[in-house]
Amino acid sequence: GAGVSQSPSNKVTEKGKDVELRCDPISGHTALYWYRQSLGQGLEFLIYFQGNSAPDKSGLPSDRFSAERTGGSVSTLTIQRTQQEDSAVYLCASTRGFSRSNEQFFGPGTRLTVL
Amino acid sequence: EDQVTQSPEALRLQEGESSSLNCSYTVSGLRGLFWYRQDPGKGPEFLFTLYSAGEEKEKERLKATLTKKESFLHITAPKPEDSATYLCAVQELGDYKLSFGAGTTVTVRA
Repeated sequence: GAGVSQSPSNKVTEKGKDVELRCDPISGHTALYWYRQSLGQGLEFLIYFQGNSAPDKSGLPSDRFSAERTGGSVSTLTIQRTQQEDSAVYLCASTRGFSRSNEQFFGPGTRLTVL
Repeated sequence: EDQVTQSPEALRLQEGESSSLNCSYTVSGLRGLFWYRQDPGKGPEFLFTLYSAGEEKEKERLKATLTKKESFLHITAPKPEDSATYLCAVQELGDYKLSFGAGTTVTVRA
């Protein structure tokens, strides 16, 4: 079956511009996560959506970052007024929900480069 | 604070040379420990979940084990296609996000 898909795969932008990154989770998965992977560092949690509950935004690094999930499926991560330190790979993951078998399945990521 | 520490950072092996990767963790209560494989330019690929000390899981040449403070990923008779970065992550009781280590990059030479 189809896995998690993300678009675009690569995004190059200029400092100060806004960007939108998209994630399509696995069909039927109710939980969706965004992580950020900077060069040489581990994955950093950004935000979590579960069903219709309010998202956990505790990992967002600044108020320039926001995310939404429409219809309990597709999610968009928006970064406003991008800075060079925002350059990283942004990864999306989904799971069936908060249960014992809640392995997170990851998409291929979006590589963001801020010039 | 660092919840998850992986060692070594890099491992170079000859084909057929077995070895182990370490993942040390500190959590108040463990809900699950996860191993992922990540190839360059791709997202992490799920390998194993371990829930309690003493648990072991195997998949082809990989075997993961868990104690109360660390997990090991054993690679038996590795092949060049086992070359990748292996990531360890923990999930605390009552939490849903994963806390990842920095990974171990394994290179297997033919």
